[in-house]
Amino acid sequence: EDQVTQSPEALRLQEGESSSLNCSYTVSGLRGLFWYRQDPGKGPEFLFTLYSAGEEKEKERLKATLTKKESFLHITAPKPEDSATYLCAVQSTGNQFYFGTGTSLTVIP
Amino acid sequence: KAGVTQTPRYLIKTRGQQVTLSCSPISGHRSVSWYQQTPGQGLQFLFEYFSETQRNKGNFPGRFSGRQFSNSRSEMNVSTLELGDSALYLCASSFLLGTDLYNEQFFGPGTRLTVL
Repeated sequence: EDQVTQSPEALRLQEGESSSLNCSYTVSGLRGLFWYRQDPGKGPEFLFTLYSAGEEKEKERLKATLTKKESFLHITAPKPEDSATYLCAVQSTGNQFYFGTGTSLTVIP
Repeated sequence: KAGVTQTPRYLIKTRGQQVTLSCSPISGHRSVSWYQQTPGQGLQFLFEYFSETQRNKGNFPGRFSGRQFSNSRSEMNVSTLELGDSALYLCASSFLLGTDLYNEQFFGPGTRLTVL
């Protein structure tokens, strides 16, 4: 069964305390893996797309990496404005999109 | 460039009624996808339209249907509403990089549907 699992469900960090979010997936052929950020009351906001194992992408304090079975979103020296829910999604070769239930990140000043 | 817009933003309906939600994608985007988001299940894929044709469909009952118009605007309809249909319904548009390969999906703010 195709599925995406994110861990942890919730994460509280002190400002400046780096950490990683995990997204593990089982899918019948991966076309792409996507990371999104969602703020309360808003739609998800695109962050990264990764297409193949070994690929990495960076944007400000965020860095996404991809292996054959999982992806990590590394957050370096987070700030309170990084507080949000981070969602991972995969696109299968059947062109279905599967989302994880997200990691709720809280960064404390 | 204007983002994805969804109307209405909030809806309250009663069981058994039907509802139609509207989505206008980003100009130039021909792919429109619909998702249901609930606290327990997260985002679940409903269906995707491209050039007025439904290309992909998630695992939802036939009460959920949609369509896309020639200007790429899309509507989603839910008939015979049930309490469990209460959710945030999100629309996302995308510009295809190549055959079925998406660069990114841009989401609208969603329509919050409450079924009483």
